[in-house]
Amino acid sequence: QKEVEQDPGPLSVPEGAIVSLNCTYSNSAFQYFMWYRQYSRKGPELLMYTYSSGNKEDGRFTAQVDKSSKYISLFIRDSQPSDSATYLCAMRFTGGGNKLTFGTGTQLKVEL
Amino acid sequence: DGGITQSPKYLFRKEGQNVTLSCEQNLNHDAMYWYRQDPGQGLRLIYYSQIVNDFQKGDIAEGYSVSREKKESFPLTVTSAQKNPTAFYLCASSIGEGEGENIQYFGAGTRLSVL
Repeated sequence: QKEVEQDPGPLSVPEGAIVSLNCTYSNSAFQYFMWYRQYSRKGPELLMYTYSSGNKEDGRFTAQVDKSSKYISLFIRDSQPSDSATYLCAMRFTGGGNKLTFGTGTQLKVEL
Repeated sequence: DGGITQSPKYLFRKEGQNVTLSCEQNLNHDAMYWYRQDPGQGLRLIYYSQIVNDFQKGDIAEGYSVSREKKESFPLTVTSAQKNPTAFYLCASSIGEGEGENIQYFGAGTRLSVL
């Protein structure tokens, strides 16, 4: 079993839809949670960074962490064709240096 | 323009050949990382360096080597011992390894293929 599980998709939605992307993890020691967006043949760029449980909002993006269920989510409101990309979740321990454990990524396509 | 520069963008390796991927950052970050990305496997850590002249193996270091002689540079050599080198290689850097928002920033990647 992988430490971080993420549905690879592809996920196809119409423009304007609310998108929900999710990761589950097995190690309760993870404390820092990130979402990266990666366009085709490009490097990942950080979208959201959260510590421990709770919600964080930034524009159309909301990151949610539920440590009791070992489950994190990224919500995208009013999705746009420019949101079409692969979304990677990543997480790390406290005191573990800065080593990240990544999910495999979910490919999202937002259609006109 | 601050950032991480990886070169070349595309690289081809012949059988038995060593190749070196370049990674340079002008963010004044102490820590640098190399990842390998394969379809369906996410990013896997090859090597990382928290300070000049020091580096540690990641999860898949076999067949790779690195050096960290300068703060801004962290080249990765894919040796002939790496039997399956075809992948997308990503370099990242962060302020350090301390707690808090120690965000890793990524370069644009190098795609390596075997001839």
